[in-house]
Amino acid sequence: RKEVEQDPGPFNVPEGATVAFNCTYSNSASQSFFWYRQDCRKEPKLLMSVYSSGNEDGRFTAQLNRASQYISLLIRDSKLSDSATYLCVVTIAGGADGLTFGKGTHLIIQP
Amino acid sequence: DAGITQSPRHKVTETGTPVTLRCHQTENHRYMYWYRQDPGHGLRLIHYSYGVKDTDKGEVSDGYSVSRSKTEDFLLTLESATSSQTSVYFCAIIGTNNEQFFGPGTRLTVL
Repeated sequence: RKEVEQDPGPFNVPEGATVAFNCTYSNSASQSFFWYRQDCRKEPKLLMSVYSSGNEDGRFTAQLNRASQYISLLIRDSKLSDSATYLCVVTIAGGADGLTFGKGTHLIIQP
Repeated sequence: DAGITQSPRHKVTETGTPVTLRCHQTENHRYMYWYRQDPGHGLRLIHYSYGVKDTDKGEVSDGYSVSRSKTEDFLLTLESATSSQTSVYFCAIIGTNNEQFFGPGTRLTVL
């Protein structure tokens, strides 16, 4: 059974702080990994892909640990606009048969 | 912008009536997907298509059918809508690195 687990939160974080989320996946055959961002009543939008070597995009850093089967997302210098739900997503065998989504972690950045 | 539109964006219908949701894409993507999103469940795959007239079932396909008569359109049909099908429905296409891009969603209420 495909499963992706996330802490639903909410994470209440002061503006400017650093926040990190983890996500675990159960299928060792998972091949591709992503973080999506979803704002209230909107569609999920790709935040970043997660590569084995880890990758960074501005204030956002994603890492993959295949041995322990988890991925992480770090947000530095958090902004009010970072408030959203962050979805952990994995695919099996190329993903043509769809993505498996975690239920999301709700982040609230407080002024 | 992945060039995906969905129609209608909102619909209220009654139990037992047929409903068809449309997903339209403008970039000639071969793969298209239908997901539903519900509180406590995250996004779940209903059906997907890997080409014109080629479709397959996802995790929660019962009560739904799909059709793809041309590349740009992927239709989701609820033959006889039930209250359990009240949900937000997202269409998606797959990108070059197995990431998926979503349409704006259709909010369906079945009374």
